[in-house]
Amino acid sequence: DTEVTQTPKHLVMGMTNKKSLKCEQHMGHRAMYWYKQKAKKPPELMFVYSYEKLSINESVPSRFSPECPNSSLLNLHLHALQPEDSALYLCASSQHQGNPSYEQYFGPGTRLTVT
Amino acid sequence: DAKTTQPPSMDCAEGRAANLPCNHSTISGNEYVYWYRQIHSQGPQYIIHGLKNNETNEMASLIITEDRKSSTLILPHATLRDTAVYYCIVRTSGGTSYGKLTFGQGTFLTVHP
Repeated sequence: DTEVTQTPKHLVMGMTNKKSLKCEQHMGHRAMYWYKQKAKKPPELMFVYSYEKLSINESVPSRFSPECPNSSLLNLHLHALQPEDSALYLCASSQHQGNPSYEQYFGPGTRLTVT
Repeated sequence: DAKTTQPPSMDCAEGRAANLPCNHSTISGNEYVYWYRQIHSQGPQYIIHGLKNNETNEMASLIITEDRKSSTLILPHATLRDTAVYYCIVRTSGGTSYGKLTFGQGTFLTVHP
């Protein structure tokens, strides 16, 4: 099983709302990732968690707050977003962060619209 | 991570082999070549990866040149469902890019009936 699940599939939120995106995997992977993909652009890395600790933050604005409560779950808390934050948010996981021989598996994404 | 160069688009007839090229002339010895594809509005799907040797799995074959400066992804019998953006990515094990996948613009493959 190489499934990464993400909820919700679609989310519409106002600029003053607080919402969360959720990601789950049951492959025993110890690295989890958040990517952001704008329309007609390739995915871009936002955050990496390794063994439940934040390993990489690609200078993401603080209105995005990641959380890894356990090795299977990854959340992305959203607060005071801007319309330009509208995008497809992708979660991925891999066995380990640092070993390039391990592939990353992606979830289907959450389509976020900020109004 | 080494930079990759791919043609922006390619066409292929259904049932024929699709050969997608990728140049990575600055690749170093510990960097892997990865291929992913993304069908419209879905998450990227892992296809195959390799270091030096050619690789084959149930989806595709990966041919890496001896000098490792380029590679070709081969879909042996393309179907309409293979229409997607195909990303060639070079992935390193260390440095500031630790574990990171850096996606380029990719090749949009259209499979025609």
